[in-house]
Amino acid sequence: DIVMTQTPLSSAVTLGQPASISCRSSQSLVHSNGNTYLSWLHQRPGQPPRLLIYRVSHRFSGVPDRFSGSGAGTEFTLKISRVEAEDVGVYYCMQGTQWWTFGQGTKVEVK
Amino acid sequence: EVQLVESGGGLVQPGGSLRLSCAAPGFIFSSDWMSWVRQAPGKGLEWVANIKKDGSEKYYVDSVKGRFTVSRDNARNSMYLQMNSLRAEDTAVYYCARLDYDAPVRAFDSWGQGTLVIVSS
Repeated sequence: DIVMTQTPLSSAVTLGQPASISCRSSQSLVHSNGNTYLSWLHQRPGQPPRLLIYRVSHRFSGVPDRFSGSGAGTEFTLKISRVEAEDVGVYYCMQGTQWWTFGQGTKVEVK
Repeated sequence: EVQLVESGGGLVQPGGSLRLSCAAPGFIFSSDWMSWVRQAPGKGLEWVANIKKDGSEKYYVDSVKGRFTVSRDNARNSMYLQMNSLRAEDTAVYYCARLDYDAPVRAFDSWGQGTLVIVSS
């Protein structure tokens, strides 16, 4: 199984400041078809997760452009350019290259 | 907007069975792969099972193989998860999710609110 490891596991951010979360996979996420199936999801307290980013860097419908994804191979990053109050919660990276596995989650809170 | 509504959760004893349902009104259900994803209390997310659009292919995480069965009824816009031989470690909120499989996304792009399953004596 592909193991996904996120860092940090928690982060306290000032509103309006940037935030960054890293995700590393135990093996390359490049699929045999050439695509890299790395996604990012956000879960607010008491809510189901919602998809933010798919295939490393593509924002899902309705996701603000302050969210961006980057990376390749086994190293990936989610960046929030200016954190807003609604961005608090837990962020998960997820791979869909070989079945589906999630990172442990990164809790983002406001200072 | 895709709406997914889970039901059927509850308290069950170890070794018991439970059947979860996911209703999907308002979209072309038969056009999509569907999935179950669970989240143990205070823990992260774990993919449980997928089922192809026409039900011809089903896939499971190793920990539930032989115990859980996913099925769907496209005429009723519904998906099900039959859970047998339940264990304490199956305790979780079970989410129904749409899997955008065929398009170049391969991610869960719509989620229900979840239904809580508690396995305890």
